[in-house]
Amino acid sequence: KAGVTQTPRYLIKTRGQQVTLSCSPISGHRSVSWYQQTPGQGLQFLFEYFSETQRNKGNFPGRFSGRQFSNSRSEMNVSTLELGDSALYLCASSLFTGDTNTEAFFGQGTRLTVV
Amino acid sequence: DQQVKQNSPSLSVQEGRISILNCDYTNSMFDYFLWYKKYPAEGPTFLISISSIKDKNEDGRFTVFLNKSAKHLSLHIVPSQPGDSAVYFCAASAQWGAQKLVFGQGTRLTINP
Repeated sequence: KAGVTQTPRYLIKTRGQQVTLSCSPISGHRSVSWYQQTPGQGLQFLFEYFSETQRNKGNFPGRFSGRQFSNSRSEMNVSTLELGDSALYLCASSLFTGDTNTEAFFGQGTRLTVV
Repeated sequence: DQQVKQNSPSLSVQEGRISILNCDYTNSMFDYFLWYKKYPAEGPTFLISISSIKDKNEDGRFTVFLNKSAKHLSLHIVPSQPGDSAVYFCAASAQWGAQKLVFGQGTRLTINP
């Protein structure tokens, strides 16, 4: 069974540009969440999507947005990039059964460098 | 306000001995806890989880203990192996069925031969 796939693995962008990252969840998983990892702030929750709807949102500015498609694939977009947006962006998927907590499985991440 | 804390940035253990990683939390609404292992430039790998209705969960060499009154959980690895060397993250969730995880800062575990 394939794991969570994130593309691209590495990305270099210039300040002011925008970027779109992609995540394909494990087959059958309908919940997709995004996290940002930086040396200073650690792993921080960005947002979660379930059945194409944003279910939870973290404390990030509106420049960070996302969406989920009918096949559960998800994208996140960062507009007007700042140097501080340089980070490892991680996507996680989980099987939401509706009656129990389920663990989240992470992809390899996309390393974004803003110059 | 750091709701999940791993107070030991690093831990060194001899191969074959027990590794104990600790995690404290402040939010009493947390009801689901997970441990992840992470190598540099890779995504976290799920290890083990525990629901707040339990105080212990075991999976092979990994055991997680939860003390709700102390708001403390720990991960025991027995016996420790060189391949266990990595950064370990504790995570917590306050919303049933959702995946809004709050992570600790991580503990770097080094297993010495």
